[in-house]
Amino acid sequence: SQQGEEDPQALSIQEGENATMNCSYKTSINNLQWYRQNSGRGLVHLILIRSNEREKHSGRLRVTLDTSKKSSSLLITASRAADTASYFCATGGDTGRRALTFGSGTRLQVQP
Amino acid sequence: NAGVTQTPKFQVLKTGQSMTLQCAQDMNHEYMSWYRQDPGMGLRLIHYSVGAGITDQGEVPNGYNVSRSTTEDFPLRLLSAAPSQTSVYFCASRVGREQYFGPGTRLTVT
Repeated sequence: SQQGEEDPQALSIQEGENATMNCSYKTSINNLQWYRQNSGRGLVHLILIRSNEREKHSGRLRVTLDTSKKSSSLLITASRAADTASYFCATGGDTGRRALTFGSGTRLQVQP
Repeated sequence: NAGVTQTPKFQVLKTGQSMTLQCAQDMNHEYMSWYRQDPGMGLRLIHYSVGAGITDQGEVPNGYNVSRSTTEDFPLRLLSAAPSQTSVYFCASRVGREQYFGPGTRLTVT
């Protein structure tokens, strides 16, 4: 079973606009990660937010975490065509044996 | 560093055939794992390993075997391929919490 579920499943925006995608999870976590997957490629780690953090920034990425609602959001500001990809949230991996569990992803299309 | 490498990139099998998907990493990561990715399903964990000689089952292990004789290599074996195993397979390695993925193997079973 999947721990995280992203919303929306698909998102289409124009270049320059902001893109927001959400992730909800079921059990308590120590941290949450976001990954990007370009078409036909492996996943690439974007950012990690710990459970005691509410917001984190990395370049044009802004991640928030609300542990009371068991949800996280990823905001990409001033989107570019190169941001077109699928985005996944992942939880787990806190200890040596615990595996990362991924959601089903949000497919983002940025129109030039 | 080459990171995580996978071979082959593409494979077509007939039902009942067996094969091994290769995965190697040169980052000296102890933790390695195999996922399959199907449309609309995200990534599902097949097997993982926390170090040489240690493997464990993930969410969808049936029909797959793994072994970990070295830190670098973590092959995935399909024992008797079935059409339900048509998927894209990703190998990953991890140090700490960040996971590094290979480019994937696209497998079709006819």
